[in-house]
Amino acid sequence: GAVVSQHPSWVICKSGTSVKIECRSLDFQATTMFWYRQFPKQSLMLMATSNEGSKATYEQGVEKDKFLINHASLTLSTLTVTSAHPEDSSFYICSASEFGGAAYEQYFGPGTRLTVT
Amino acid sequence: AQTVTQSQPEMSVQEAETVTLSCTYDTSESNYYLFWYKQPPSRQMILVIRQEAYKQQNATENRFSVNFQKAAKSFSLKISDSQLGDTAMYFCAFMKPLTQGGSEKLVFGKGTKLTVNP
Repeated sequence: GAVVSQHPSWVICKSGTSVKIECRSLDFQATTMFWYRQFPKQSLMLMATSNEGSKATYEQGVEKDKFLINHASLTLSTLTVTSAHPEDSSFYICSASEFGGAAYEQYFGPGTRLTVT
Repeated sequence: AQTVTQSQPEMSVQEAETVTLSCTYDTSESNYYLFWYKQPPSRQMILVIRQEAYKQQNATENRFSVNFQKAAKSFSLKISDSQLGDTAMYFCAFMKPLTQGGSEKLVFGKGTKLTVNP
């Protein structure tokens, strides 16, 4: 099946610094990638939808300037958390839908745990 | 906007027994997809089963089956012969695909934590 990877799997950063999380589709081209945030014992909250070569579409309440998303190629999307603060500590998950694939099929990455100290 | 409700925050079942997880949703759409995802302690999201709303036949995948009641907007998951490896969070999700004028966004319920006891 289609595989999505995320890097890093766990990152610790200091308050005020920025951190970049990568999401890659390893064996398919991803037309659309989605970024989710998940707090402990809670559900996934969609942050934004990114399409290759165009600006990401952010969900209501998500700060665009804080969570920068770049979808530069059909296999890579990045999420940069700028000026991170402890409240940004969370589990970030990406998913991808395949170019030319079934409209309903999304493949999830393993997630990235961000801890801001 | 679509909403998905899972009314059982936690459930437990004995190994080899059967358990049913509930899910209801609210939509005015006629064609859409419904999903059950499993999130084990590793936190990797795994698709368990998918149902297309225009199909009346309930989807099945080995020990997993759904009871899809479109008029009642209900989509429950039945796990038969429960195994220890079924212990996980289970999320019900709704999607209106692009081909139906949607956005491919998944709308998730809050989840049900299932524990399978030996």
